Amino acid sequence: DTGVSQNPRHKITKRGQNVTFRCDPISEHNRLYWYRQTLGQGPEFLTYFQNEAQLEKSRLLSDRFSAERPKGSFSTLEIQRTEQGDSAMYLCASIRGGSLGETQYFGPGTRLLVL
Amino acid sequence: AQTVTQSQPEMSVQEAETVTLSCTYDTSESDYYLFWYKQPPSRQMILVIRQEAYKQQNATENRFSVNFQKAAKSFSLKISDSQLGDAAMYFCAYRSAHYGGATNKLIFGTGTLLAVQP
Repeated sequence: DTGVSQNPRHKITKRGQNVTFRCDPISEHNRLYWYRQTLGQGPEFLTYFQNEAQLEKSRLLSDRFSAERPKGSFSTLEIQRTEQGDSAMYLCASIRGGSLGETQYFGPGTRLLVL
Repeated sequence: AQTVTQSQPEMSVQEAETVTLSCTYDTSESDYYLFWYKQPPSRQMILVIRQEAYKQQNATENRFSVNFQKAAKSFSLKISDSQLGDAAMYFCAYRSAHYGGATNKLIFGTGTLLAVQP
């Protein structure tokens, strides 16, 4: 399968712990997005990378959140000092670039539960 | 800011019947894209259908078609000959056609959970 992959698929952590998620986009895709989806809601944009450059961050992305995309390949999303409100599905999507009409391909997501 | 509204939290349809999911949006832009995404339980989101705002013709993909009313800012999804595998959460999404960073982000509605009855 050459789609977008995310690891881990599930993460349970205690409040105050740090967690890190990984996204591997489709290989030729140079643009990568992170979204957060809470129960009963649609995904909400968190941040965007074009190659290795982080070009946009949502106000949802507090100082406890950091994302990287070294070498423009895989990306990581780290949450420090997790809070119960961070419990959500974290989705990664990638797009090849070029035409704006191109499809964003989503990964299966990482479901985070903060106890 | 753009917003997307899905006013039907849940819908149900009999197998082989037709169902229409509603979506309205608000934007001041003239160029944009609209999407319907399907999210099956515990599976990843996949694109169902896409519509370019500059195209008057409604998009169609096999059993899926849209009714795009630009002036009314309405974008409904019709599923014909519903199948059990169509059961999923359906999200309507908007994306600006202005090139650059986060303007390429997708703005989603809250979703409609579709149940298909055998």
